[in-house]
Amino acid sequence: NAGVTQTPKFQVLKTGQSMTLQCAQDMNHEYMSWYRQDPGMGLRLIHYSVGAGITDQGEVPNGYNVSRSTTEDFPLRLLSAAPSQTSVYFCASSKIGTGLFNQPQHFGDGTRLSIL
Amino acid sequence: GENVEQHPSTLSVQEGDSAVIKCTYSDSASNYFPWYKQELGKRPQLIIDIRSNVGEKKDQRIAVTLNKTAKHFSLHITETQPEDSAVYFCAASMNNFNKFYFGSGTKLNVKP
Repeated sequence: NAGVTQTPKFQVLKTGQSMTLQCAQDMNHEYMSWYRQDPGMGLRLIHYSVGAGITDQGEVPNGYNVSRSTTEDFPLRLLSAAPSQTSVYFCASSKIGTGLFNQPQHFGDGTRLSIL
Repeated sequence: GENVEQHPSTLSVQEGDSAVIKCTYSDSASNYFPWYKQELGKRPQLIIDIRSNVGEKKDQRIAVTLNKTAKHFSLHITETQPEDSAVYFCAASMNNFNKFYFGSGTKLNVKP
């Protein structure tokens, strides 16, 4: 299993450009999520999905769109890039929790995005 | 929503000493608490987790304790080694679509 695969690893954009960050997992996980990581602020949830066709907003959704057409893929779209979106983006996946407890998340290697 | 606070933000210890990182959470419905280790430029990786039906869990040199009454949980690393140097994140979640809330991270430096 490759686990969670993110592409690209690095990207530089100009303000106003749009792009899509790709995330794919081969573990048949129902739950997928996107986080951004900024210095001193931990990991903040952008959007998440509990299955194909179902997405919802996290803590910091503004400026980002997602869709989930298959179990494997969960792309993150930046509609009009802004310097404030310069960050490291992580995709994560897990099985949906059964019973009372959730399951641990598995992270991709991240995408380092700089917006000029 | 849930709020997770993590302390300290940086921690420097001598090789062989113990290190303790503490987290508090606000929502009493949270019941699953993983800890992640992130080396520089790498992905966060799960190192240990605890569920609310137990008070302590240990895995070799790493242990986690949970106090549900006080709503705090801690990571304990004994006999620290230079390879333990990394950023450690705590997280909390409740059985609600696997949403996780992360602390702001602790940078652990183990000096040889």
